[in-house]
Amino acid sequence: KNQVEQSPQSLIILEGKNCTLQCNYTVSPFSNLRWYKQDTGRGPVSLTIMTFSENTKSNGRYTATLDADTKQSSLHITASQLSDSASYICVVNGAGSYQLTFGKGTKLSVIP
Amino acid sequence: DAGVIQSPRHEVTEMGQEVTLRCKPISGHNSLFWYRQTMMRGLELLIYFNNNVPIDDSGMPEDRFSAKMPNASFSTLKIQPSEPRDSAVYFCASSPQTGLANYGYTFGSGTRLTVV
Repeated sequence: KNQVEQSPQSLIILEGKNCTLQCNYTVSPFSNLRWYKQDTGRGPVSLTIMTFSENTKSNGRYTATLDADTKQSSLHITASQLSDSASYICVVNGAGSYQLTFGKGTKLSVIP
Repeated sequence: DAGVIQSPRHEVTEMGQEVTLRCKPISGHNSLFWYRQTMMRGLELLIYFNNNVPIDDSGMPEDRFSAKMPNASFSTLKIQPSEPRDSAVYFCASSPQTGLANYGYTFGSGTRLTVV
């Protein structure tokens, strides 16, 4: 069964600190992996999309990595800001499929 | 571009009542998805339309749920009769092309449904 597991479930960090969120998946065959940011009361917004051949992709202070061999991805946030407080959802798209497999998300709280 | 527009933002209804959620996808996007999000189960696909045609409705929980897309710029998700376990946030998303790498799915802001 296709699954996406994220860790930790929740995380609290001080403003200005870095953090790394983890994502493990079992989706096969694989097309791409996406990280979404979901603010409270809003819909998910795409941060990065990575295909099989991509190891790293950055979007400002967000850097995603992908190891397709071990089926692991991480999202690193540098110099966190209060506005980074949100849920971060890892989403995997199977090859040739419209189906997205969603993780349950990591709830990040950045405190002053 | 106004993005994917959903209405209403919040809906509170009594058990047994009919509920209709609405979605306007991004112009030019030919794929439309309805998702449901709960704390327990996260985001789940309910139904997927391509070029206004329902392609996969296997995620629709039961016959009480129905969805239509009468044209490329409008879709509805209807629950009749509603039950308290239907309480969730319902998202509509659209995409310019189905299931291909590098095409992003744009989500609306969701409708928070509470059935009492």
